[in-house]
Amino acid sequence: KAGVTQTPRYLIKTRGQQVTLSCSPISGHRSVSWYQQTPGQGLQFLFEYFSETQRNKGNFPGRFSGRQFSNSRSEMNVSTLELGDSALYLCASSPDRGPANTGELFFGEGSRLTVL
Amino acid sequence: AQTVTQSQPEMSVQEAETVTLSCTYDTSENNYYLFWYKQPPSRQMILVIRQEAYKQQNATENRFSVNFQKAAKSFSLKISDSQLGDTAMYFCASPANTNAGKSTFGDGTTLTVKP
Repeated sequence: KAGVTQTPRYLIKTRGQQVTLSCSPISGHRSVSWYQQTPGQGLQFLFEYFSETQRNKGNFPGRFSGRQFSNSRSEMNVSTLELGDSALYLCASSPDRGPANTGELFFGEGSRLTVL
Repeated sequence: AQTVTQSQPEMSVQEAETVTLSCTYDTSENNYYLFWYKQPPSRQMILVIRQEAYKQQNATENRFSVNFQKAAKSFSLKISDSQLGDTAMYFCASPANTNAGKSTFGDGTTLTVKP
């Protein structure tokens, strides 16, 4: 089985621009969640999507948004970028309900965003 | 609300020795999971070990074991016979309810294994 795939792996943007990150979950996983990882703040939960619906949301401003498609692939978007948005954005998938759900998250390698 | 606290930002250990990473948590749930994840430098995060709260027996995976103290809300990770490949950042985490998608992570402990 292919793992969680995130694209792009690295990107550089300037303040005020917007960015879209993509995540393809493990086949059969319907839950996709996004985390922001920074040296000072650790891993912060952004949001989770399940069956194309946002199921949970963290404490991030409205500039951070996401969506999920019918094939479970997910995108997150950050508009009006700020210097503080520089971070590693991690996507994780899980099988969610059923016997396959052990509570484990399966992570991608992340998209490292630098805002100049 | 859930909180997960790792009080050791950095640790080091000599190769072949044993090291213990600490984690405390707080939750209002009766049934929950606790996890240790490992994030090697520039590599993806992977699961090290999992503990289900209703199981009294401490989980063990090869050289990795946990000391789960439910009453004290403590969940430490012991790495025996440390290897250079164990150098990584380790995160303690707990999912909200049985929903794995939303998990609370500690701030992480950077472990360096020295030759």
